[in-house]
Amino acid sequence: AQRVTQPEKLLSVFKGAPVELKCNYSYSGSPELFWYVQYSRQRLQLLLRHISRESIKGFTADLNKGETSFHLKKPFAQEEDSAMYYCALRTGFQKLVFGTGTRLLVSP
Amino acid sequence: NAGVTQTPKFQVLKTGQSMTLQCAQDMNHNSMYWYRQDPGMGLRLIYYSASEGTTDKGEVPNGYNVSRLNKREFSLRLESAAPSQTSVYFCASSTETPGERHFGDGTRLSIL
Repeated sequence: AQRVTQPEKLLSVFKGAPVELKCNYSYSGSPELFWYVQYSRQRLQLLLRHISRESIKGFTADLNKGETSFHLKKPFAQEEDSAMYYCALRTGFQKLVFGTGTRLLVSP
Repeated sequence: NAGVTQTPKFQVLKTGQSMTLQCAQDMNHNSMYWYRQDPGMGLRLIYYSASEGTTDKGEVPNGYNVSRLNKREFSLRLESAAPSQTSVYFCASSTETPGERHFGDGTRLSIL
């Protein structure tokens, strides 16, 4: 079965603390994974993709095929990082399966 | 640059009523999508259109129809609304870049 699991509905941290948003996937093929973010009153938008191996707004995510994970990390959280984060798995040419999302709340 | 525009933003229907949600994009994207978002369920694909003139079912197509009117517009129709279709509906479009979606603001639909 093709599935994306985000076990935490809410993650609450203090400003300056490290952040790790968990994402696990189930897929028999070669996985392509993405993180999407929705800030308050803004549209859902692509944050990063594992193929690019990029760091966006200080966030990174490494694909671990052995653990079937694609956790999103940032060493020092900022208040403006507060948002809803979705992990997504590409399962076909036009198919993208989303997780249920994790709300990140960064307190001052 | 408006990107993906959805109308209406909010709608309340009675069970059995019909409704068309409109979506238009101005980015010259070939592919367009309709998703629904429900609490604890994430985003689920209803229908998609890989190019003008084609449409395909997603994960949860039952109770919906779509029309790809032209390259810009992709509408979603509920012929006979049911309370189970209460949800937030998102339209999206994409280039050929795998996994990349450009989303609209969403339509919050309540069916009583």
